[in-house]
Amino acid sequence: DTGVSQDPRHKITKRGQNVTFRCDPISEHNRLYWYRQTLGQGPEFLTYFQNEAQLEKSRLLSDRFSAERPKGSFSTLEIQRTEQGDSAMYLCASRSIDRGTETQYFGPGTRLLVL
Amino acid sequence: AQTVTQSQPEMSVQEAETVTLSCTYDTSENNYYLFWYKQPPSRQMILVIRQEAYKQQNATENRFSVNFQKAAKSFSLKISDSQLGDTAMYFCAFFYGQNFVFGPGTRLSVLP
Repeated sequence: DTGVSQDPRHKITKRGQNVTFRCDPISEHNRLYWYRQTLGQGPEFLTYFQNEAQLEKSRLLSDRFSAERPKGSFSTLEIQRTEQGDSAMYLCASRSIDRGTETQYFGPGTRLLVL
Repeated sequence: AQTVTQSQPEMSVQEAETVTLSCTYDTSENNYYLFWYKQPPSRQMILVIRQEAYKQQNATENRFSVNFQKAAKSFSLKISDSQLGDTAMYFCAFFYGQNFVFGPGTRLSVLP
């Protein structure tokens, strides 16, 4: 079990560029979550998947954000036309759907800086 | 909507002493889960302890224990025998259905 991994760990981009982040969950976990965390704050929910289905999206997820989990394994989060306000840590977490396993396991995050 | 409040933005404690971090939440649900997560500086978030709302017994994990007061909607974390490695941001989180809601966090510094 290698845990949840995210790539890249850091990304610096210029305003207006597109960026894509990847998350690889724990292999047997069928639920995958994306969060955004700004400095000194707790994670804010963005969206989650059960297998390949995206079941819920936060109002924080504007039209410039899109997430996919095409085969029910890894997931990608794309931000188009980045803005300075998108600068944050983007966290991925996964968990099993089985009862008694509500615990989420987090990846190390991707820190995005938009210049 | 559920909300989670952590009223202590920062706290400090001497090594080997005990510290309690506060968390309150607001919900109309009856069956839910509560968590404390720890996020060390520049490191990933890890689970410290979890509590099922239907259990009256307070959860404990080694030096970490909670005081769960369901009626008061309070869920505090006690760290005994604090260690330097406990220095981190601590987030209280509420889970119901499919939604996790996190508090703003408490920055804990353990002083030598």
